[in-house]
Amino acid sequence: NAGVTQTPKFQVLKTGQSMTLQCAQDMNHEYMSWYRQDPGMGLRLIHYSVGAGITDQGEVPNGYNVSRSTTEDFPLRLLSAAPSQTSVYFCASSYNQGRDTQYFGPGTRLTVL
Amino acid sequence: AQSVTQPDIHITVSEGASLELRCNYSYGATPYLFWYVQSPGQGLQLLLKYFSGDTLVQGIKGFEAEFKRSQSSFNLRKPSVHWSDAAEYFCASNTGFQKLVFGTGTRLLVSP
Repeated sequence: NAGVTQTPKFQVLKTGQSMTLQCAQDMNHEYMSWYRQDPGMGLRLIHYSVGAGITDQGEVPNGYNVSRSTTEDFPLRLLSAAPSQTSVYFCASSYNQGRDTQYFGPGTRLTVL
Repeated sequence: AQSVTQPDIHITVSEGASLELRCNYSYGATPYLFWYVQSPGQGLQLLLKYFSGDTLVQGIKGFEAEFKRSQSSFNLRKPSVHWSDAAEYFCASNTGFQKLVFGTGTRLLVSP
């Protein structure tokens, strides 16, 4: 199993550009989520999905969109990038929520100029 | 709302010495509790988790954590630290309502 994969590893955008961060998992997990990691702030939940066709907002959803058309994929879209979105983004998946272990991807480091 | 506090931003420990990383949670009932480790430039890996039963939980890489309800704490311990343990450690909690909440992390430095 590849586990959770994320592309790209690094990305530089200009303010106002849009882009999609890709996330895929091959473990047949129902639950997937996106976090951003900023220095001194830990990981903060952006959006999550409990299954195909179902998404919901996390703690910091503004400026981001998600969709879940398949169990495997959970892309994160930045609609109009802003410097405040400079961060490291992690995708995670698990069988369910609650007590289940979340498996994390390697992350995408995004810089918005 | 649930929250997780890790009061130590950085901790330096000599190689071979014992380690304790602190974590306090805020929630009325007992949440599910986790410790994750992040090596530089990597994603997060689960060290251990607690959701019920024995309050002393064993994890990977020789780590253990003890749940103390009276103190709302879930501290991570290791009896003898190795240089390869240098990393950032995150405590997290989940009340079962689909959102995992992380603490701000503790960076562990290991001195020779």
